[in-house]
Amino acid sequence: KNQVEQSPQSLIILEGKNCTLQCNYTVSPFSNLRWYKQDTGRGPVSLTIMTFSENTKSNGRYTATLDADTKQSSLHITASQLSDSASYICVVSALLGGGADGLTFGKGTHLIIQP
Amino acid sequence: DVKVTQSSRYLVKRTGEKVFLECVQDMDHENMFWYRQDPGLGLRLIYFSYDVKMKEKGDIPEGYSVSREKKERFSLILESASTNQTSMYLCASSLRGLKRSNEQFFGPGTRLTVL
Repeated sequence: KNQVEQSPQSLIILEGKNCTLQCNYTVSPFSNLRWYKQDTGRGPVSLTIMTFSENTKSNGRYTATLDADTKQSSLHITASQLSDSASYICVVSALLGGGADGLTFGKGTHLIIQP
Repeated sequence: DVKVTQSSRYLVKRTGEKVFLECVQDMDHENMFWYRQDPGLGLRLIYFSYDVKMKEKGDIPEGYSVSREKKERFSLILESASTNQTSMYLCASSLRGLKRSNEQFFGPGTRLTVL
């Protein structure tokens, strides 16, 4: 069964500090991995996407890494800001035919940035 | 700018009522999805549609039905609302085809409370 596990479930850090969120997956056959950011009361918004051949992707202060051999990904946030407080969801896509997107969602990491 | 809109941000209904949740996208996407999101469970797929008048069950379709009469609109129907359907409901859409990136664009969500 395809699964995506995220850790930690929740994290509190001080403004300005760095943090790293983890995602382990067992999705096959692998197509791509995406990190979404979901602000409270809003829908998720895509931050980064990585395919099998990519092992790092940056979007401003967000840097995602992918190790396809160990099936692990991380999202590193540098110099955190109060606006980074949100849930971060790891989503892995399997190669499927037909119309389905073949997505498996992690349960998310709830990040709180304190001033 | 891509946009997925949902008919209501907050909704309160009584047990046994019929509930309609509407979703509209303006990106000409073939795929549309309905999820519910609950604390500790993450996003769970209820139904999806890959074309007009086509629908497929997701992971938790029981108690729900859907309608896709037009490409841009996907409706979620709770025939007889129950308290365990109190949740955040998220609509999403994506492109279909070999060149698609699988990115799903989410609406802002509808927080439904069933009393």
